[in-house]
Amino acid sequence: DSGVTQTPKHLITATGQRVTLRCSPRSGDLSVYWYQQSLDQGLQFLIQYYNGEERAKGNILERFSAQQFPDLHSELNLSSLELGDSALYFCASSAPGTSATTQYFGPGTRLTVL
Amino acid sequence: LAKTTQPISMDSYEGQEVNITCSHNNIATNDYITWYQQFPSQGPRFIIQGYKTKVTNEVASLFIPADRKSSTLSLPRVSLSDTAVYYCLVGVLRNYGQNFVFGPGTRLSVLP
Repeated sequence: DSGVTQTPKHLITATGQRVTLRCSPRSGDLSVYWYQQSLDQGLQFLIQYYNGEERAKGNILERFSAQQFPDLHSELNLSSLELGDSALYFCASSAPGTSATTQYFGPGTRLTVL
Repeated sequence: LAKTTQPISMDSYEGQEVNITCSHNNIATNDYITWYQQFPSQGPRFIIQGYKTKVTNEVASLFIPADRKSSTLSLPRVSLSDTAVYYCLVGVLRNYGQNFVFGPGTRLSVLP
């Protein structure tokens, strides 16, 4: 158990819908990272937040957005969902003062778009 | 961010030492090398990180030659439970402005 929690574990929805994925980082960690992992794309970095501020952007679509709240939990919002958005979505966190490449991943949310 | 290249898959037998090499020819001076392990439907798990020479922890060793253009993850005496995908990640320590690029990883199969 990495200490990072993600809810829900599974989500099934229809095309065109909007969903919100939630992540709570490890206690004391200020950075939150979001990743998408699909069978044909591997692990794709989406976005990073540090203490409420966006710090880095990867391959995040305009239909996707994220935020980090004052209590440091983060939410990833996916809208106008398409079949190709079906994937595992992982959240990771890292501690302040440590390497940003030392990340602790949550168990993931499996999103299925029908 | 340095692009990495790893073998797509490897097979080994229980009790053997496994070495997985990652190439990162355009690694930058400030880049560190980090290895992760991922089991099916689970999040990746940090294994080891290094900058140069050799790093060892209770799980693995990481060998980095002087030119740092490659690195080798060494798993001593593997067991069936080491069957997983192993990713090499190259990046700086700073907490901003990075695009964390995980390659396709190496799928290790440990056979009895």
